[in-house]
Amino acid sequence: QVQLQESGPGLVKPSQTLSLTCTVSGGSISSGSYYWSWIRQPAGKGLEWIGRIYTSGSTNYNPSLKSRVTISVDTSKNQFSLKLSSVTAADTAVYYCARNTAYCSGGSCYKAADYWGQGTLVTVSS
Amino acid sequence: DIQLTQSPSFLSASVGDRVTITCRASQGISSYLAWYQQKPGKAPKLLIYAASTLQSGVPSRFSGSGSGTEFTLTISSLQPEDFATYYCQHPGTFGPGTKVDIK
Repeated sequence: QVQLQESGPGLVKPSQTLSLTCTVSGGSISSGSYYWSWIRQPAGKGLEWIGRIYTSGSTNYNPSLKSRVTISVDTSKNQFSLKLSSVTAADTAVYYCARNTAYCSGGSCYKAADYWGQGTLVTVSS
Repeated sequence: DIQLTQSPSFLSASVGDRVTITCRASQGISSYLAWYQQKPGKAPKLLIYAASTLQSGVPSRFSGSGSGTEFTLTISSLQPEDFATYYCQHPGTFGPGTKVDIK
């Protein structure tokens, strides 16, 4: 059974860099038709997609966050990571990591997040 | 960029009711749409992918339909455990969510 677990500081000061790691267990981060993503959710609000990474290292980011986001992967540790720079109170949220699987049929591949971490609350405050 | 809207944003329903939630895309996305259920304090759970394919283990009372710009999630007979918030997603973006509450 695949499991994902977010880890990192729960409190970050304004203007600093938020750093989180997602550790994948129960399967190799490098195997299969997967990519790995970060999603966040401010308290009482909806889900916001942050970005994704393929194990090749290729990344895509939310245009609204692109200038501040870096997602990387460490296949030797079965982990992928998120860095968000120059944080403000608006970045306070529960951060989730997720595995996205490509379900392919008839030449088309449909991707969806089938495994999620439990989420970790990051508060930006001095 | 593709934008997703959902309607209604909130609905109140009773156990046994048939519930339908609509998701609209700002441009055609074929069948590249997934639906998730989220309960308070929990991570979202994948219900449907490819607009209409039920994820393994999801009860058959859930169904999805649509393609292009308009999609629906239907719960044929609402159960107590179905009271939650539902999100549609196209890779890279989520809809704003629909909260299903007890009448």
